[in-house]
Amino acid sequence: AQSVTQPDIHITVSEGASLELRCNYSYGATPYLFWYVQSPGQGLQLLLKYFSGDTLVQGIKGFEAEFKRSQSSFNLRKPSVHWSDAAEYFCAVGAQPSGGSYIPTFGRGTSLIVHP
Amino acid sequence: DTEVTQTPKHLVMGMTNKKSLKCEQHMGHRAMYWYKQKAKKPPELMFVYSYEKLSINESVPSRFSPECPNSSLLNLHLHALQPEDSALYLCASSHGRKGYTFGSGTRLTVV
Repeated sequence: AQSVTQPDIHITVSEGASLELRCNYSYGATPYLFWYVQSPGQGLQLLLKYFSGDTLVQGIKGFEAEFKRSQSSFNLRKPSVHWSDAAEYFCAVGAQPSGGSYIPTFGRGTSLIVHP
Repeated sequence: DTEVTQTPKHLVMGMTNKKSLKCEQHMGHRAMYWYKQKAKKPPELMFVYSYEKLSINESVPSRFSPECPNSSLLNLHLHALQPEDSALYLCASSHGRKGYTFGSGTRLTVV
């Protein structure tokens, strides 16, 4: 069974500083990996996804993530954080069942706090 | 249309009430999902419909009853809920690698 570990419950950064959110996964085959962001009271928005190919993935809102098979990691990065990036971030790994669509398993989430 | 629309956005219901949550998408996605999310926690999968058939039920209590009338609609019927069922209920849809899209959720409060 797949699993995801987000080791940081909270991350605090200053506006304009760089950001890295950590994600480690456990899955027997090549994983489908995702990062989602959730603002308070809202649904989850997909930031980026990795299925195969280039291990550096570009997403929306200036985010990127790098898939490192040797470290079983898929860390999320942003070079300069904006106050509007404050939110909950979920890493997820997806397995593809026989029905053709995948079911993501979510990490516990990392809460990003941005100081002015 | 690239959205999953959920109604209502907020719902307050008593423990003896019957209510329904609705979810709609017009992206041609053939898998639809219900999730329950408590504050500061990740979403928990409840049900999966694949091609309008229930394919996964994660041991959800029978007071939650899903329904998929057609490929665009997903309902969650609620009856005799408990206060601990208060949560954000999220609907999502997907189709292969086309993406996994979440709605904005229904904030449910059981009193």
